[in-house]
Amino acid sequence: DAKTTQPTSMDCAEGRAANLPCNHSTISGNEYVYWYRQIHSQGPQYIIHGLKNNETNEMASLIITEDRKSSTLILPHATLRDTAVYYCIVRGGGSNYKLTFGKGTLLTVNP
Amino acid sequence: KAGVTQTPRYLIKTRGQQVTLSCSPISGHRSVSWYQQTPGQGLQFLFEYFSETQRNKGNFPGRFSGRQFSNSRSEMNVSTLELGDSALYLCASSHGTEENRLFFGSGTQLSVL
Repeated sequence: DAKTTQPTSMDCAEGRAANLPCNHSTISGNEYVYWYRQIHSQGPQYIIHGLKNNETNEMASLIITEDRKSSTLILPHATLRDTAVYYCIVRGGGSNYKLTFGKGTLLTVNP
Repeated sequence: KAGVTQTPRYLIKTRGQQVTLSCSPISGHRSVSWYQQTPGQGLQFLFEYFSETQRNKGNFPGRFSGRQFSNSRSEMNVSTLELGDSALYLCASSHGTEENRLFFGSGTQLSVL
């Protein structure tokens, strides 16, 4: 699976949009970009995933660049409960369901 | 719909003992994966089971083993515990198809003394 690079930490004001970047310059054509987050002492929570097109769900939006070498997770209106470690993961298709977690980005939402 | 259930939530063992952790996946999910999380190494993949067969395996010693039952429930076993095995052990379930997302449980916090 391709390696990802994320900033170690980011801050965001409550109510503002949080934009979390991820670099995955070695991504292959059949690899998906997944985002998970982990609130302290809980299991990771799925947020969103995509292959080529931008995606949106009730939690967030995922913007993938045209060359697929980077992506941005957008939380449109961050709340204090969004404070968590956010993981960007690239996973191949087929029968390999292993997720390789990096260090992730600690997002702190401030009041 | 009930989520992924892991038992026990906390466990304290001593070096040399063995331990068995349990995971009940979401109803209808046939894939169960196990991860170890430590402050130093982060989240690391242990193994994945699908329809009672181990389908993928991470880079852990043979002391770490698992199995899946016909009802998709899974157990993982760690034998001859070492201090370094102290970690949060997370179980995740999914339908097991290509694009599927994982649903994680809250984990079992294992402390080895």
